[in-house]
Amino acid sequence: DAGVIQSPRHEVTEMGQEVTLRCKPISGHDYLFWYRQTMMRGLELLIYFNNNVPIDDSGMPEDRFSAKMPNASFSTLKIQPSEPRDSAVYFCASSSGWGQGYGYTFGSGTRLTVV
Amino acid sequence: DAKTTQPNSMESNEEEPVHLPCNHSTISGTDYIHWYRQLPSQGPEYVIHGLTSNVNNRMASLAIAEDRKSSTLILHRATLRDAAVYYCILRGRGSQGNLIFGKGTKLSVKP
Repeated sequence: DAGVIQSPRHEVTEMGQEVTLRCKPISGHDYLFWYRQTMMRGLELLIYFNNNVPIDDSGMPEDRFSAKMPNASFSTLKIQPSEPRDSAVYFCASSSGWGQGYGYTFGSGTRLTVV
Repeated sequence: DAKTTQPNSMESNEEEPVHLPCNHSTISGTDYIHWYRQLPSQGPEYVIHGLTSNVNNRMASLAIAEDRKSSTLILHRATLRDAAVYYCILRGRGSQGNLIFGKGTKLSVKP
């Protein structure tokens, strides 16, 4: 099992550019989560999916952020246009279930720097 | 939301046991206690979880107080690789079931 795979590991982009982060969850996991981590705010849940359907996107900071899950093995988080304050580490996680008894498996993250 | 309180940092010596405390005085009867850790430059990693009884797995043990208002994550023999931020998280039912991270405890392990 290769775990949750995120790409790219690092991304540097200029303000105003579109950024796309990618995630491949563990096969068979029905839930996928996107988190963002900054020094100031710690780890924040942005959005999560169940069976490719977005369930709760209340953590998405602005309309500039969008996430999709076109199939069970792939998800994207897009920022358009990007701003310097979007600089953070973005983590994707997956789980075989949702709720109290389930643990999440996280990817290694994408470190985004917007200059 | 029920909240947890953890020390900001702790130090341990290699090959000695480590007890990481967590207070959750407002825990409800249906909240599970989860522990995750985050090694430097990596994503969070699931460690253990429990409801009322003490739990053991290959990574750690979780000791839960009888009144459930506190818990302790026990690493039986700390290694340098255990240096990480450890998060104690309560997960409730329904919308309270999301995994919400606090600031955690930064554990340093000295050789």
